[in-house]
Amino acid sequence: GENVEQHPSTLSVQEGDSAVIKCTYSDSASNYFPWYKQELGKGPQLIIDIRSNVGEKKDQRIAVTLNKTAKHFSLHITETQPEDSAVYFCAASKAGYALNFGKGTSLLVTP
Amino acid sequence: NAGVTQTPKFRVLKTGQSMTLLCAQDMNHEYMYWYRQDPGMGLRLIHYSVGEGTTAKGEVPDGYNVSRLKKQNFLLGLESAAPSQTSVYFCASSRQQRETQYFGPGTRLLVL
Repeated sequence: GENVEQHPSTLSVQEGDSAVIKCTYSDSASNYFPWYKQELGKGPQLIIDIRSNVGEKKDQRIAVTLNKTAKHFSLHITETQPEDSAVYFCAASKAGYALNFGKGTSLLVTP
Repeated sequence: NAGVTQTPKFRVLKTGQSMTLLCAQDMNHEYMYWYRQDPGMGLRLIHYSVGEGTTAKGEVPDGYNVSRLKKQNFLLGLESAAPSQTSVYFCASSRQQRETQYFGPGTRLLVL
């Protein structure tokens, strides 16, 4: 089955800096790649997703890039703020199959 | 519009006891999912449903059963709880399989 690896497991940045989280996947047929943010004590919430027909997608301070050849995708957060502190999960899936999640990255943004 | 709700929020069980976790969604979604979240393990799919009356196994189904008798409800059962089932359980729903999943607030389960 699909194997999604996520790095780093923890990330600490200063407010205003950028943060990058990377994921790799094993199944070349995967073509849907969402990112979820989980705040303490809450359920995960989708923040952005990308499908394999595009290489990059942006939404304000958040962007996701996809390299299908290398089978990796990344989340970029610019101008980080303390409220960006959370656990971030990447995931991958192909048609007819459920999402496979990475193990998560705990992001801490310090003022 | 409450989204996805889960009952109970927290529960303590003794080994061997049984319980049912209830998930309800008011978005008329076809797909519903049960995940467990353990430290360092991310979210692992237990069972899921692609519509009323259907269920399918996920990555870690052993020790759990599910039922989807009504479209809006997805029940997760533990027939004989084990300490290894201590975890936080999340329910989610989506309109289609590869669209946004909406998660509930979670149920924290402790099995002693």
